[in-house]
Amino acid sequence: DTGVSQDPRHKITKRGQNVTFRCDPISEHNRLYWYRQTLGQGPEFLTYFQNEAQLEKSRLLSDRFSAERPKGSFSTLEIQRTEQGDSAMYLCASNGLTGGETQYFGPGTRLLVL
Amino acid sequence: DAKTTQPPSMDCAEGRAANLPCNHSTISGNEYVYWYRQIHSQGPQYIIHGLKNNETNEMASLIITEDRKSSTLILPHATLRDTAVYYCIVRVGDNTDKLIFGTGTRLQVFP
Repeated sequence: DTGVSQDPRHKITKRGQNVTFRCDPISEHNRLYWYRQTLGQGPEFLTYFQNEAQLEKSRLLSDRFSAERPKGSFSTLEIQRTEQGDSAMYLCASNGLTGGETQYFGPGTRLLVL
Repeated sequence: DAKTTQPPSMDCAEGRAANLPCNHSTISGNEYVYWYRQIHSQGPQYIIHGLKNNETNEMASLIITEDRKSSTLILPHATLRDTAVYYCIVRVGDNTDKLIFGTGTRLQVFP
């Protein structure tokens, strides 16, 4: 148990629907990362926050995706108008104050878009 | 693109040492080598990391060559629960420490 939690663990939705995932990082960590993993591939970086500021977004993060971390604690990742290509595992990770500290991952949210 | 190269798969007998190689020939002097593993349907699990000295913890040992262009992760006594995909990652950049994963090595431990 790394201490990073994600909710829900699984989500099945129909194409066109909106979905929202939540990540609760390890409590003393101020950096939070989102990754996406498709079948047979390694995780791919989506975005990260330092406290409440979103400091980097990958080009993978299309306009339909939005991430927030309003109080610098938990974060949400919303996907609007889901497409079948959004089916993937969405992973959250966190680490501490200084750059380079180990990232600890949550269990992930597996999304299936029908 | 990932800055590391790993074999796609390896087998290991239970109880034997598993030696997982990784090439990172373009590594910079201030970049660390990190190892994670991912058991089926779970999030990646941190194993170990190092800069240039060999490292050991309760899970594994990390051997980094003197020129730092390659490394080996050693699981000294592999068990069936070590069956997983193992990722070797070179941490990139100064302003962000996002991890760039390759496709890793699928280690199958057999009885």
